[in-house]
Amino acid sequence: DGGITQSPKYLFRKEGQNVTLSCEQNLNHDAMYWYRQDPGQGLRLIYYSQIVNDFQKGDIAEGYSVSREKKESFPLTVTSAQKNPTAFYLCASRHSSPYNEQFFGPGTRLTVL
Amino acid sequence: AQSVTQLDSHVSVSEGTPVLLRCNYSSSYSPSLFWYVQHPNKGLQLLLKYTSAATLVKGINGFEAEFKKSETSFHLTKPSAHMSDAAEYFCVVSDSGYGGSQGNLIFGKGTKLSVKP
Repeated sequence: DGGITQSPKYLFRKEGQNVTLSCEQNLNHDAMYWYRQDPGQGLRLIYYSQIVNDFQKGDIAEGYSVSREKKESFPLTVTSAQKNPTAFYLCASRHSSPYNEQFFGPGTRLTVL
Repeated sequence: AQSVTQLDSHVSVSEGTPVLLRCNYSSSYSPSLFWYVQHPNKGLQLLLKYTSAATLVKGINGFEAEFKKSETSFHLTKPSAHMSDAAEYFCVVSDSGYGGSQGNLIFGKGTKLSVKP
């Protein structure tokens, strides 16, 4: 089945720890995205990548880092510098043609204890 | 700059009655517009998209939306609500298409739809 997978589904972190969220797609999409979702705020863009080995900051990149070493993978690291990391994180991908929609993974819920 | 405003944070309807979720957008050029649905603790699923072809767009599960340039609106409708329609709905504008190339999405804050039996 083609699609986007995110792991783990639930993640608990102690304050001061870095954690890495996994995102993998087998849709052969060029572009990948990370969003953060908080209640009542819609989705906010953290980072995005249009091609391998290149990525750009989104609207709320502070305290996060990414890598894009392979086309199918776009992991997100939530660092200890992120002051309020508890949220629902969504990964998406898109074929780089005009008008194409983004496809979303099932999400990872991160809770800081 | 592009933006999206969803006019209602919560809409409640009875099963079998029509659904109307309202969305206004702002865009400096011809936009691509989408409606996504999200069930609790799940990812987002595309309902439908407008990309400058027909102004009335039909989507999955009986939903449709009409692009009205003069009103800068893209309201989502369904003739008869089903219990399974209860979810959160997001109106989204993209900078992709004519005049843009990043494919980045700007999300509305969402409308939570409740369906009463």
